[in-house]
Amino acid sequence: GESVGLHLPTLSVQEGDNSIINCAYSNSASDYFIWYKQESGKGPQFIIDIRSNMDKRQGQRVTVLLNKTVKHLSLQIAATQPGDSAVYFCAENMGGNEKLTFGTGTRLTIIP
Amino acid sequence: DADVTQTPRNRITKTGKRIMLECSQTKGHDRMYWYRQDPGLGLQLIYYSFDVKDINKGEISDGYSVSRQAQAKFSLSLESAIPNQTALYFCATSDWPRERTDTQYFGPGTRLTVL
Repeated sequence: GESVGLHLPTLSVQEGDNSIINCAYSNSASDYFIWYKQESGKGPQFIIDIRSNMDKRQGQRVTVLLNKTVKHLSLQIAATQPGDSAVYFCAENMGGNEKLTFGTGTRLTIIP
Repeated sequence: DADVTQTPRNRITKTGKRIMLECSQTKGHDRMYWYRQDPGLGLQLIYYSFDVKDINKGEISDGYSVSRQAQAKFSLSLESAIPNQTALYFCATSDWPRERTDTQYFGPGTRLTVL
């Protein structure tokens, strides 16, 4: 079946360095993608989104890259801070279906 | 997100009991969702509602029911709780298609333990 997955379940990064979190998707009809951040004890929080007609979108300290050729999505966090420690999920909207499908998440740990 | 609230935040109950989890939102969104989160499994959709009269089953609706009492309120019930329903439960809202995105906004979650 179709799925949204992540390459790595955990990622440790030195404070101040850049982080890259990856996500693979398998449905070429997917046209909308979202990255969420979930801190311990809280609900997922929207970070950034991107539509399939774009290959890059930037926010504050975050950039999402979409490579439709290899069905790959990444989230780049610049100059990571302790507050960036969380689980990050990608979510996929499959071909106009308004339901989102979520990946299992990557836990990002910032090393002081 | 303070615009989406869930009660209770934590609940411990026994097998066979009926439990209701409540969700309220002040965002004015038509669409509301209930998800379950288990460790390592991400978010699974239980039920969703596009408006007060439109309720749909998600991926894992067995053992659950919902009620959309008003645009702002969406309740999830476990008819007869069982231990494998122990999980984190999240409510979410979205303003699609007005926002022209499918972004969902989540509540803080309810941690449910079934003994």
